[in-house]
Amino acid sequence: SQTIHQWPATLVQPVGSPLSLECTVEGTSNPNLYWYRQAAGRGLQLLFYSVGIGQISSEVPQNLSASRPQDRQFILSSKKLLLSDSGFYLCAWGWADGGEKLFFGSGTQLSVL
Amino acid sequence: RKEVEQDPGPFNVPEGATVAFNCTYSNSASQSFFWYRQDCRKEPKLLMSVYSSGNEDGRFTAQLNRASQYISLLIRDSKLSDSATYLCAVNRADSGYALNFGKGTSLLVTP
Repeated sequence: SQTIHQWPATLVQPVGSPLSLECTVEGTSNPNLYWYRQAAGRGLQLLFYSVGIGQISSEVPQNLSASRPQDRQFILSSKKLLLSDSGFYLCAWGWADGGEKLFFGSGTQLSVL
Repeated sequence: RKEVEQDPGPFNVPEGATVAFNCTYSNSASQSFFWYRQDCRKEPKLLMSVYSSGNEDGRFTAQLNRASQYISLLIRDSKLSDSATYLCAVNRADSGYALNFGKGTSLLVTP
């Protein structure tokens, strides 16, 4: 069966510090991978998606970036965090042929102070 | 118009009640529809897919109306454990098959 791991669960970072969140998927090959953010009182916002190694698409301009160095590894990064980067970050995977449901990691609650 | 819209609620219902949530979507080309459940500070978890003919899973019934572009979720015989936020999701074929989510409808089932 497939599992998705995301860490850390919580993170408190000062403004201007770097960020690295990691997500790995097990039990499947060539998944589509996604990063979403859920800000307080708001819906899930798609940040990045990837359909293959090294293939990253960005949904919104911001100071975040994503990378996919391996088939089942997806990393979200920032060089300098902003207060507005606070939120609940969720990694998700879906089948490569698309049109199906997504499965989410347990999320990272990021507070930028 | 937002791509996926839901009534935010909250819906406060007594145990045993029947409650219905609606969701509208803007992209008529959307092909896949889902309901997710999200508990406080947790990840969304798939509750059920929504099929054109409607589908049922125990106390939960989902329906799709393509002509009016809305999806519904009916919960019968509500339990305390049903208290959560329910997210409607619609797929996007243009973005690696990502899902667009509504902001969710909050449900509180009371004794």
